[in-house]
Amino acid sequence: ETGVTQSPTHLIKTRGQQVTLRCSSQSGHNTVSWYQQALGQGPQFIFQYYREEENGRGNFPPRFSGLQFPNYSSELNVNALELDDSALYLCASSPGQEYNEQFFGPGTRLTVL
Amino acid sequence: QQQVKQSPQSLIVQKGGISIINCAYENTAFDYFPWYQQFPGKGPALLIAIRPDVSEKKEGRFTISFNKSAKQFSLHIMDSQPGDSATYFCAAREETSGSRLTFGEGTQLTVNP
Repeated sequence: ETGVTQSPTHLIKTRGQQVTLRCSSQSGHNTVSWYQQALGQGPQFIFQYYREEENGRGNFPPRFSGLQFPNYSSELNVNALELDDSALYLCASSPGQEYNEQFFGPGTRLTVL
Repeated sequence: QQQVKQSPQSLIVQKGGISIINCAYENTAFDYFPWYQQFPGKGPALLIAIRPDVSEKKEGRFTISFNKSAKQFSLHIMDSQPGDSATYFCAAREETSGSRLTFGEGTQLTVNP
C-alpha cells in the first residue's frame, strides 16, 4: 500500500450532475496529480497541484477542476457530467514536483448513467 | 495525440517463460521512463524505472532495456510467474512538466501455470 487514500471507492451519478472526489496524499508529499483511466486504457493526466496551486493541466475541459488544501489533500470536481466521464479516477502523490516517483491511490470508480 | 505507444495489447506466457513488452516514444524531451504494474481494482504501482543515460537496468526478475536512438524501451520479466499476471503500463515524463506522466495503452499479461 502506498499510503495514498481516495474516497469514495465507487460512485454512480447521472448525466448533468456534479461530483467531488477526494484524495489524501502520503505523509510529507506536497504534490498531487489526478489521472483519468478509462476502461482498458492507460491513465490520462488531468492536472497537478503543488503547494495548493495548479501548475500543470492535461487536455481536459474546464468543467474538471480541483483544489489542494494546506494539509496537501486534494479534491477533483467534475461539473455537468457526461457519459464519457465514466472511468477510474486516480490520485498520485510525490514528495515534490521534481521528484520522479509517484505513488498512486486505489482510485475512485465513477459511473455516469 | 498518443506520445507513448505500447505493444502488445495482451500477452500470454507459460510459467517460467520470458515476458517482453515494448514501448516507443516520440518526445525527445522525455527524461524518465517508469513501468507500472496494475492489478484489478488497484492503482498502478511502480515496478522499475530508467533514465535515458543508461541502456539497461535490472531489479530482480525485471529488466528495462533502453534504446535512446530508436526512442524505444522494453520490459523483460524473466521466469514469469502466475502472480505476475496483471496489466503493465510504460510511461514517460518530461522534466519541465513536473510530475506529469504520459502512459502507454497497457499490456494485459497472463502467465499460465
